[in-house]
Amino acid sequence: DTAVSQTPKYLVTQMGNDKSIKCEQNLGHDTMYWYKQDSKKFLKIMFSYNNKELIINETVPNRFSPKSPDKAHLNLHINSLELGDSAVYFCASSPWDGNNEQFFGPGTRLTVL
Amino acid sequence: AQSVAQPEDQVNVAEGNPLTVKCTYSVSGNPYLFWYVQYPNRGLQFLLKYITGDNLVKGSYGFEAEFNKSQTSFHLKKPSALVSDSALYFCAVRDHAGNMLTFGGGTRLMVKP
Repeated sequence: DTAVSQTPKYLVTQMGNDKSIKCEQNLGHDTMYWYKQDSKKFLKIMFSYNNKELIINETVPNRFSPKSPDKAHLNLHINSLELGDSAVYFCASSPWDGNNEQFFGPGTRLTVL
Repeated sequence: AQSVAQPEDQVNVAEGNPLTVKCTYSVSGNPYLFWYVQYPNRGLQFLLKYITGDNLVKGSYGFEAEFNKSQTSFHLKKPSALVSDSALYFCAVRDHAGNMLTFGGGTRLMVKP
């Protein structure tokens, strides 16, 4: 059973397109996250949702719009894709209590041509 | 603002030798500290955490880390390295007030036979 799953695993698209990445967790966690890992492997938080409510939004362009239909899902929609959006995007989840570790999905490698 | 520094981009060690991956942090108040490992083309996996209590924390795969409050460090250690330990290691910190996890830049561990 996959704890945190993401689809698709790979995404290759042209500049200017709109694309979505889906994330689901079956751990019963209250909080979900999106991270971006750049080509130098630097990992940065983008968004965090707790029980479908946005709690962290870290200076991400408004072309990125997360949507949480329920607390088990956090999808990421990206409008007007740019070359600089190429990266690996990781979804994660954790219980709300801050001393718990986060569980990461396998990542989605986005390549914008 | 909280931050994490991993001063070494890469650590090389021979199989069977002890290994240390360094991490220092900056955070307001008492920290929650974490180590994660990332294997190629995979998501991050939790190794261990320090929340409170004993400064020496033991985690998965024989890894341990020592919390040193005066030096604001949380170095990852293992007494005897394995070739299969070769991966990218991330240190992360969270303060008690927030839910945001801040990652260091990562250290690539190379264990040679």
